[in-house]
Amino acid sequence: DTEVTQTPKHLVMGMTNKKSLKCEQHMGHRAMYWYKQKAKKPPELMFVYSYEKLSINESVPSRFSPECPNSSLLNLHLHALQPEDSALYLCASSLRLAGAHEQYFGPGTRLTVT
Amino acid sequence: TQLLEQSPQFLSIQEGENLTVYCNSSSVFSSLQWYRQEPGEGPVLLVTVVTGGEVKKLKRLTFQFGDARKDSSLHITAAQTGDTGLYLCAARRGSQGNLIFGKGTKLSVKP
Repeated sequence: DTEVTQTPKHLVMGMTNKKSLKCEQHMGHRAMYWYKQKAKKPPELMFVYSYEKLSINESVPSRFSPECPNSSLLNLHLHALQPEDSALYLCASSLRLAGAHEQYFGPGTRLTVT
Repeated sequence: TQLLEQSPQFLSIQEGENLTVYCNSSSVFSSLQWYRQEPGEGPVLLVTVVTGGEVKKLKRLTFQFGDARKDSSLHITAAQTGDTGLYLCAARRGSQGNLIFGKGTKLSVKP
């Protein structure tokens, strides 16, 4: 089983809303990632969690707040977003952060900020 | 400066044709991965190559990692419409390095 699940599939939110994106994997992976992907561009790394601790924050604005409640779950809390934040948000996981471990991606959440 | 250069950027071919997509860099990588992504979906891992000169086959797809571990190619034999998608190469420079993506090759296979 190499499945990473993400909910919701689609999300439309206003600039004053608060919403959360959820990601789950049951492969025993201890590294989990959030990426942002704009149309016709490759994924851009936002955050990395390793053993439930934030390991990498790629200078992401504070209106994006990640959370890793346990080894299987990863959340991305959204507040006061801008229209330019509209994108496909991808979650990924790998066995560990170090080493040549493959990353497996979820199907993504298509976010539209109005 | 793009660390991973993919070419061509776009490719439109007829079903049954062969094609090769390239992923080049001036940096040495500890591993390189190829993904295929369809619109609105997440990238799906196709293969990981780790050894210089390595060749891996996945049905009609052949992946090669350069001897110096700086470049890779993906060859598709007798393309099918189901091969349509965005092909992304991604690589790590060290054991702790982040995954770096190329800009992708958008392949369209017409019936």
